[in-house]
Amino acid sequence: IAGITQAPTSQILAAGRRMTLRCTQDMRHNAMYWYRQDLGLGLRLIHYSNTAGTTGKGEVPDGYSVSRANTDDFPLTLASAVPSQTSVYFCASSDGQGGGTDTQYFGPGTRLTVL
Amino acid sequence: GQNIDQPTEMTATEGAIVQINCTYQTSGFNGLFWYQQHAGEAPTFLSYNVLDGLEEKGRFSSFLSRSKGYSYLLLKELQMKDSASYLCAVSDSNYQLIWGAGTKLIIKP
Repeated sequence: IAGITQAPTSQILAAGRRMTLRCTQDMRHNAMYWYRQDLGLGLRLIHYSNTAGTTGKGEVPDGYSVSRANTDDFPLTLASAVPSQTSVYFCASSDGQGGGTDTQYFGPGTRLTVL
Repeated sequence: GQNIDQPTEMTATEGAIVQINCTYQTSGFNGLFWYQQHAGEAPTFLSYNVLDGLEEKGRFSSFLSRSKGYSYLLLKELQMKDSASYLCAVSDSNYQLIWGAGTKLIIKP
């Protein structure tokens, strides 16, 4: 079934540890995104990639890094996790050249708790 | 700053009609999206408006007034499965989506 997968589904992490959230899509979409969703707040863009080999910073990029070595994969890394990074993380993708006029398709999310 | 406002929660009765409003103040405008998100699940696309007026899609319709910075999502013939959060998002001048916090819709029998 075509779509986006994320791993892990959930994770409890000690503060200061390094963590990589994985995201893979099989729709051959050019653009991919990472969001965090916190209670009472809208989705906030962390990083995005309009095409393989390029990445850009979103609204809340500090403490996170991404890479886009190929079309399908877009991992998000927390170099040294802090409790304020406790959140639900969604990966999304869209066709076209990226940007806010394309429908975005979301993965199931990763629930991350940093203690 | 950029701001998207939606009611936090609404309650409606099965079979009825409900209107969820969204007002926005953004740097630029390149369209407005509505997404549905069931609890514990991913958001899924409902509609996209870039021109003023009403777009109808089955039981769901979405309206946009760019001059007023206003949109609404209209849900007709409500079903229990419509219980979800409804997210409004605006594409700004940088073509990035600015998201509202969402409106939790509770459907009662």
